Amino acid sequence: DTGVSQNPRHKITKRGQNVTFRCDPISEHNRLYWYRQTLGQGPEFLTYFQNEAQLEKSRLLSDRFSAERPKGSFSTLEIQRTEQGDSAMYLCASSLTRDSGEKLFFGSGTQLSVL
Amino acid sequence: DAKTTQPTSMDCAEGRAANLPCNHSTISGNEYVYWYRQIHSQGPQYIIHGLKNNETNEMASLIITEDRKSSTLILPHATLRDTAVYYCIGRAYGQNFVFGPGTRLSVLP
Repeated sequence: DTGVSQNPRHKITKRGQNVTFRCDPISEHNRLYWYRQTLGQGPEFLTYFQNEAQLEKSRLLSDRFSAERPKGSFSTLEIQRTEQGDSAMYLCASSLTRDSGEKLFFGSGTQLSVL
Repeated sequence: DAKTTQPTSMDCAEGRAANLPCNHSTISGNEYVYWYRQIHSQGPQYIIHGLKNNETNEMASLIITEDRKSSTLILPHATLRDTAVYYCIGRAYGQNFVFGPGTRLSVLP
C-alpha cells in the first residue's frame, strides 16, 4: 500500500491558463474522489468516480472544471481558464467500498496558486 | 447529510486525554458518525466511525450518546503529533462525506 499519490504538489499559474492535476489512488481502490479546500475550511466535494464512470459532480462545480479516470486507475482534474478564485488545495481520495464502512484515503493534495 | 457542530478550537496538555465533542442533533437513524483529522499540509486521515455503540481502535475511542444527538472523540494520551484539525461527519450509505470547518486541537507541551 503506497498510499494515494498526487502530482504536482504545488502549481503556480497565471490567470487564464489551463492546469491539470493527476491522482494515483491506492491500486485496488475502485472509488476516487476529488475535493477542494481553501484556508480555514474543510474539504469541499467536487466529483466522484466508480471505476471509470463519473457518477456525481457537485452542483457548484464550474463548467471550467473537468475530471477523467480513463481506465479506472489514475485520474486527472483539469481547470480551464483559471481564475484567482480557483486558488486552493485540491485533494484526491480513494476507497474500496461505498457501504457504511467506507473509509476515504486522501493524498497530500496539489496546492494551486493563480496569480 | 447530518449537520454537525464542533467547537472552533481546543487545547490539551500533552499526555492528557483529549475529548473532542460533536453535536449532531439532526442525525438520522442510518447515518454513521465519522471522525477524520488533518495535520497541516496533509490530506485528512480517517480515525474512527460508529453508528450506535461506542467504538475503540488503536487511534481513539468514540463515545456516542444513547439518543445519538452528540458524540465525543477521545484521544487517550495526546501527543504533540495529535495537533491537527478534527472533523466530525454524519454520513449514510451512498452519501458523500461533507466536511465542516472542524475543531483545531492544539496539544501543548
